[in-house]
Amino acid sequence: AQSVTQPDIHITVSEGASLELRCNYSYGATPYLFWYVQSPGQGLQLLLKYFSGDTLVQGIKGFEAEFKRSQSSFNLRKPSVHWSDAAEYFCAVGPSGNTGKLIFGQGTTLQVKP
Amino acid sequence: ETGVTQTPRHLVMGMTNKKSLKCEQHLGHNAMYWYKQSAKKPLELMFVYNFKEQTENNSVPSRFSPECPNSSHLFLHLHTLQPEDSALYLCASRYSGSQETQYFGPGTRLLVL
Repeated sequence: AQSVTQPDIHITVSEGASLELRCNYSYGATPYLFWYVQSPGQGLQLLLKYFSGDTLVQGIKGFEAEFKRSQSSFNLRKPSVHWSDAAEYFCAVGPSGNTGKLIFGQGTTLQVKP
Repeated sequence: ETGVTQTPRHLVMGMTNKKSLKCEQHLGHNAMYWYKQSAKKPLELMFVYNFKEQTENNSVPSRFSPECPNSSHLFLHLHTLQPEDSALYLCASRYSGSQETQYFGPGTRLLVL
């Protein structure tokens, strides 16, 4: 079955510290992978995506993610976190079927300490 | 992302009310989606429309009725809802190609009393 697991429900980091959010997936074919961010009261904004090619993907707001097929992982990283990065982060895999639907993880809430 | 808009942003309704949620995309996409986001649960896909045709209904109760009059507009008609239907309802759109990204609206926060 296709699934996405984000092992960390809640993470707290200090401002300026590095960040890594974990994402593991189970998918029968070559996956397309996405990271979205959701600020309180807002919809989901795409941070970055991986379809093929270079396994290290750069996104907006200084985020990057690395696709590791052998580990079925697509972890999100940022070298130095800013207070404005506090939000909920969702990893997703797809497309599933011919509808293009995505399968989302449960999300990781990031808190940033001053 | 301002390409997908949703109205209203907040809605409070009683269990006997009838209301509708509206989604509009200004991106020229041809596929649209309704998701339900409840606290502490993954996003749940509800409906998918491709070129105005419903291509997926993810076992959604009939008290939720979608409508897609054209590729730019998507509605979710609500009637006789239950308190457990309180959630954030998100609309998304994309081009119907395999490498196309879904873009989300800001959502409608629904509270059913």
